[in-house]
Amino acid sequence: SQQGEEDPQALSIQEGENATMNCSYKTSINNLQWYRQNSGRGLVHLILIRSNEREKHSGRLRVTLDTSKKSSSLLITASRAADTASYFCATALTGGFKTIFGAGTRLFVKA
Amino acid sequence: GAGVSQSPRYKVAKRGQDVALRCDPISGHVSLFWYQQALGQGPEFLTYFQNEAQLDKSGLPSDRFFAERPEGSVSTLKIQRTQQEDSAVYLCASSLARGFEGSEAFFGQGTRLTVV
Repeated sequence: SQQGEEDPQALSIQEGENATMNCSYKTSINNLQWYRQNSGRGLVHLILIRSNEREKHSGRLRVTLDTSKKSSSLLITASRAADTASYFCATALTGGFKTIFGAGTRLFVKA
Repeated sequence: GAGVSQSPRYKVAKRGQDVALRCDPISGHVSLFWYQQALGQGPEFLTYFQNEAQLDKSGLPSDRFFAERPEGSVSTLKIQRTQQEDSAVYLCASSLARGFEGSEAFFGQGTRLTVV
């Protein structure tokens, strides 16, 4: 069973628009990570946000974390066709070994 | 190596056959994870190694699944008497730090297993 839930499940936007994906989790965490997966490929790490951080930026990515609501969001600004992929949030249960991924948001950016 | 390498990339097995999936992590990485990913789903945790020690195998779905990392580098995931429900992509990841929380994990391309 997965503790992370992403929404929306799928998102289709035009190139240049912003894309926002949300993730919720169930237990206490030390950090939360976002990954991207292109079709048929492995996952690529995007950004890690620690539980004592509220917001983090990396290029066109902005991640927020609300530990009181057990939720996180990933914003991709000025999207490009190359951003088309599935996006997953991931957390680790206490002890830091067993990792939990959400079901993912499938983003499609139309050129 | 430059990244995490998994082999084979594709494997077709007849039901009841045993398979072995290999993972070459990034050199020097302490942590190694195995995941199972069904079509359209997120990766599901199978097991975790810290060097050669298997510290968590709670995600292995049955006793037909076995993983090892005898020298703390290359790991093998073995599935005995494969069943159709074992069909999935098997992902391996490694990271420099202990556990999932210390640093980013680097993923291999995965092995797509199809049981017929």
